Amino acid sequence: VQLVESGGGLVRPGRSLRLSCAASGFTFDDFALHWVRQPPGKGLEWVAGISWNSGSIYYADSVKGRFTVSRDNGKNSLYLQMNSLKTEDTALYYCVKAQYSRGGYFHSWGQGSLVTVTS
Amino acid sequence: MVLTQSPGTLSLSPGDKATLSCRASQSVPINYLAWYQQRPGQPPRLLIYGASTRAAGIPVRFSGSGSGRDFTLTISRLEPEDFAVYYCHQYDTSPTCTFGHGTRVEI
Repeated sequence: VQLVESGGGLVRPGRSLRLSCAASGFTFDDFALHWVRQPPGKGLEWVAGISWNSGSIYYADSVKGRFTVSRDNGKNSLYLQMNSLKTEDTALYYCVKAQYSRGGYFHSWGQGSLVTVTS
Repeated sequence: MVLTQSPGTLSLSPGDKATLSCRASQSVPINYLAWYQQRPGQPPRLLIYGASTRAAGIPVRFSGSGSGRDFTLTISRLEPEDFAVYYCHQYDTSPTCTFGHGTRVEI
C-alpha cells in the first residue's frame, strides 16, 4: 500500500488549496479513505472521510462548509479542496486508508503534505 | 464522542511497564477502539484494533484491553524504540471518527 500526498504549500488566509493523494498497491474502490491533520507539535485531528463509492461523506465541525473531500476511483486518487483557509488550518495533512469500504480503523498512512496558512 | 487520554506524559525507563489509559465520553460501539504509535517525523503506525487485537507485525509486548468507555494500552517491557507518542482512536462503520490527544512516553 502506498499513499502519496501532494499539493501542500504556503497560502494566505482566505485563499484556497487543493490536496491530492495518489494511491497504489490495493484495490482503491474497495476502501473508505480519510484526511487526518496534525498541526506542528500537536496531536492528530480527523478532518474528513469518504466511503468507497462517495455515498457517505463526513467532516469535522472545524472544517465543515469550507473543505470538500472527493475521490476518483478511476484515477485511484483522493482529494481535499480547502477553501477560506484560516491560520489554524496550518498542519501536516495525511491521506489515510481505512480497513473497510465504509469505515474502520486506519491501517495505512501517507507521509503527509504540509499546509501553511500565514499572512 | 470525546476521548480523554491519561496521563499526558509518562516518564519511564527501558524495561519498565507502561500503562496508558483512554476514556470515552460514551460507550464505544462494538469496541471499535484502536491505538497508534507515532515516532518523531513519522506518520502514525497502527498497533491495536478492536480494543485488543494486535496489528500484523506488532510485538507481543504491546497489548490492548478494555470495553465500554475505558480502554488501556500496555507495553510490558519498554524498548528504546517504544519512546514515542501514543493515540487512541474511536472508529465506526461510517467514515467518521475521533482521536484522543495522545500520551507521550519519554525516558
